[in-house]
Order: sequence, then C-alpha cells, then structure tokens
Amino acid sequence: GAGVSQSPSNKVTEKGKDVELRCDPISGHTALYWYRQSLGQGLEFLIYFQGNSAPDKSGLPSDRFSAERTGGSVSTLTIQRTQQEDSAVYLCASSFGGTAGNTIYFGEGSWLTVV
Amino acid sequence: LAKTTQPISMDSYEGQEVNITCSHNNIATNDYITWYQQFPSQGPRFIIQGYKTKVTNEVASLFIPADRKSSTLSLPRVSLSDTAVYYCLVARGAAGNKLTFGGGTRVLVKP
Repeated sequence: GAGVSQSPSNKVTEKGKDVELRCDPISGHTALYWYRQSLGQGLEFLIYFQGNSAPDKSGLPSDRFSAERTGGSVSTLTIQRTQQEDSAVYLCASSFGGTAGNTIYFGEGSWLTVV
Repeated sequence: LAKTTQPISMDSYEGQEVNITCSHNNIATNDYITWYQQFPSQGPRFIIQGYKTKVTNEVASLFIPADRKSSTLSLPRVSLSDTAVYYCLVARGAAGNKLTFGGGTRVLVKP
C-alpha cells in the first residue's frame, strides 16, 4: 500500500482478554517499529525488526507483550491478559533500513481501550 | 543512544515564527537529526532531517551548529493548523534501531 497500514483502528476489550494488533509496512521497507503512546504522553519504544536479524525487544514492558514479523513484512503485536494500563494507541512505523538517514513512516495507530 | 531534551510547550500567534530547540549533548558522529510533527489522533509525520549546518524545505528550516549538540526547528509564519506536538529524534547510523523519541514540544498557535 501507499502507507503503513494498521488494524484494527480501534479496539475495546475486556480486562484479561488477549488482543492482536496488525501492521502492514510500506512495501520494500525492511525495518519495522512498534511504539506505544498513552493519552497525552510521548512515544514509548516497544520493539524493532530489521530484516532477518533478531528483533530488539528491549522496550516491551512485560512478558505479556510479544511481537512477530512474518516473511519480513506484516507484523503482529500481541498483548496477553490485557490490563487497564495497556490502554493506549499502538503505533507502527517502517523504513527502508535501520540507519539514521532513513525516514521512518508511521501508521495512524491502533487505539486500544481495556475496560 | 543520544538523549534529547526539548521544551515541554510553547505558545505562539498566527503569522509568527516558531523556533524549537532540541538539546542532544551526546550526539554521535553518524547520528542524524530528524523532526516529526504529530496532530491529535494521528501518527507522527516527518518534517525535516539534517546532519549539520542548515536544511530548508517547503515546511520548515533546521539549524544545526558546528558542534551538533543542539538543533533548532524553525517554522515560519505559523498558522492555527500548525498546532501540534513536535518531536526531535537523534538516531545512530550503523545501529539505527530502537529509535527513541523525546517527550516532544506542544506548540499552540493562537489566533
């Protein structure tokens, strides 16, 4: 597609349920990032994928969070046993490569509300 | 990774020039400086990127002094639609992963 596509755009789930958020990066982009942004807050890094390298998972807040990237393209962020503090917008971004001079492009985010 | 420091917020008026300075004292040789704009309920959007001196595009200018320990985003003649959060990002070349954003600067443009 023309831009980074994320789905669902909005998700309301009950506490304790699992959720999956999907990111479809720009075609040809090898780097993919997930960020979390709570209401009125800055961007919190979660995880980074670059090509076939092992992902940088250092930003995942707990073992309830996991992400995978299949075939070097689409990525899924999974949150198990959701808690109310997980409510936030989850932003995905991609770039041509994990180098500083490459611009990263963001999707519009998946808004998660845990009730 | 270079840590960035920006003012939390700034107010301005339509037609004025807005300058936002970002400090990045431990910037590395192969780091680039990139600025993003974020409107409510949207993902951040690329504005401008630079390595040193001055860069200008149709939206903004970016001034980077010789020591590169800071950078200033300049928005000329702002309008109400420029009200947004502006993020400064300093990212490394060879290990340009884990792009860490600072807290951003909330710019409010008043009529």
